[in-house]
Amino acid sequence: GQNIDQPTEMTATEGAIVQINCTYQTSGFNGLFWYQQHAGEAPTFLSYNVLDGLEEKGRFSSFLSRSKGYSYLLLKELQMKDSASYLCAVMDSNYQLIWGAGTKLIIKP
Amino acid sequence: GAVVSQHPSWVICKSGTSVKIECRSLDFQATTMFWYRQFPKQSLMLMATSNEGSKATYEQGVEKDKFLINHASLTLSTLTVTSAHPEDSSFYICSAEGSSGGSSSYNEQFFGPGTRLTVL
Repeated sequence: GQNIDQPTEMTATEGAIVQINCTYQTSGFNGLFWYQQHAGEAPTFLSYNVLDGLEEKGRFSSFLSRSKGYSYLLLKELQMKDSASYLCAVMDSNYQLIWGAGTKLIIKP
Repeated sequence: GAVVSQHPSWVICKSGTSVKIECRSLDFQATTMFWYRQFPKQSLMLMATSNEGSKATYEQGVEKDKFLINHASLTLSTLTVTSAHPEDSSFYICSAEGSSGGSSSYNEQFFGPGTRLTVL
């Protein structure tokens, strides 16, 4: 079966760095997405990785290792507004998105 | 960037009534739109994939006669929850598939703001 695993909840301190991991097992791979979702709102796109390596975009970076079925989202210089759920999603061979359950990130002052 | 709108943002209805939710891609044409449902503290659950001009493809366990989807144009898809019951109360989100553009373009899903449905 297809499976996306990510931690349920993480806590970090304002100004610090946090890494959210995602492991996946899917039928085929056409890219991995990270989305941010604030409570009661729709997800917003953060990053897309299809090749191995690190993609940096401001305070957020995303890493992919296809051989390990592994990705992480790295958030630097954490701000209170970064408190949200972070969703990992993989596009399978049918170009369908398979979603993880999301990681709730709590930022403390 | 690509913008997707949903209407209404929230709706409260009585049990047994039908509710229609609209999803529009405002600045691009979307041949494929997706409908998701999200219960509190849970991930997105894909309900159906909607292709313009053809019947929607429903995920296992989703009743197609209860959740009617119409994708009549390249910019509009509608989801009608028929004979709604309290267990249908949820956050319904649509997304439209479009190209990210650029040299390494890929198909990205652009999400609408969601519709919160409460059935009394």
